[in-house]
Amino acid sequence: SQKIEQNSEALNIQEGKTATLTCNYTNYSPAYLQWYRQDPGRGPVFLLLIRENEKEKRKERLKVTFDTTLKQSLFHITASQPADSATYLCALGNYGQNFVFGPGTRLSVLP
Amino acid sequence: GAVVSQHPSWVICKSGTSVKIECRSLDFQATTMFWYRQFPKQSLMLMATSNEGSKATYEQGVEKDKFLINHASLTLSTLTVTSAHPEDSSFYICSGVGGHYLNEQFFGPGTRLTVL
Repeated sequence: SQKIEQNSEALNIQEGKTATLTCNYTNYSPAYLQWYRQDPGRGPVFLLLIRENEKEKRKERLKVTFDTTLKQSLFHITASQPADSATYLCALGNYGQNFVFGPGTRLSVLP
Repeated sequence: GAVVSQHPSWVICKSGTSVKIECRSLDFQATTMFWYRQFPKQSLMLMATSNEGSKATYEQGVEKDKFLINHASLTLSTLTVTSAHPEDSSFYICSGVGGHYLNEQFFGPGTRLTVL
C-alpha cells in the first residue's frame, strides 16, 4: 500500500537558518507533489506544487525539489522566521485521483 | 487563491444528536469537494469525495449512513454526523477543487466537533 513519510514529527531550528523538511514515499508514482502549511486549529494552506517532470520550484523563501528516482521531495525555507513555525504537510497526487497526505512535520523556529 | 468557508467553526453536542457542517466555496465553483477528519497530532484522513449533483464516494471504513454528505450546488457541500458519539469528536475539514484550480485543493478553516 502507499506510504508517505515526513522526516520527523518535529523540527526545531534557529531563526535565520534554513529549514529542510523531507517527504519520502513508497508504492506510489505521483504525477505531482504539493506542500501545505497548517497552523493549529486551522485548515491547510497550499504553498507549492511541483510536477514529476520538474526538478525544482521556488517561491520567495521557499524551495521544493522532487526526485522521482529517490521518491523524495525536499522542502526548504531559507532565512527562517518565528512566523514560519507551523506544521508542514506534503501531499501526493495523480490526475483524476485524490491526494494522499503525509503525517506532517511540526516546525518550530526559535528566536 | 480561492476561499472556502466552513460553518460552524466549532460545535459541542450531546451524544446521540446529529450535527450538520457546511462547506462553501466563496469565489469559485467547486465541482469536487473533499471531507477530511483530523485527530490531534495526526494528518488529514480523507473521508469522502463528493461531486456536485451526485452521490459521495466514501473511503474504506467510513460509514456512509453515519456521515451524510450532500453536494447540492457548485458552492455548497454539507456533512451531517448522525447520532454522534464521543469517538466522533474530531476536527473536520473540507476542501474544494474546481474552476481554474484543478490540481490545488483550497481548504476551509475546519470545524471542531466535540461530542459529550
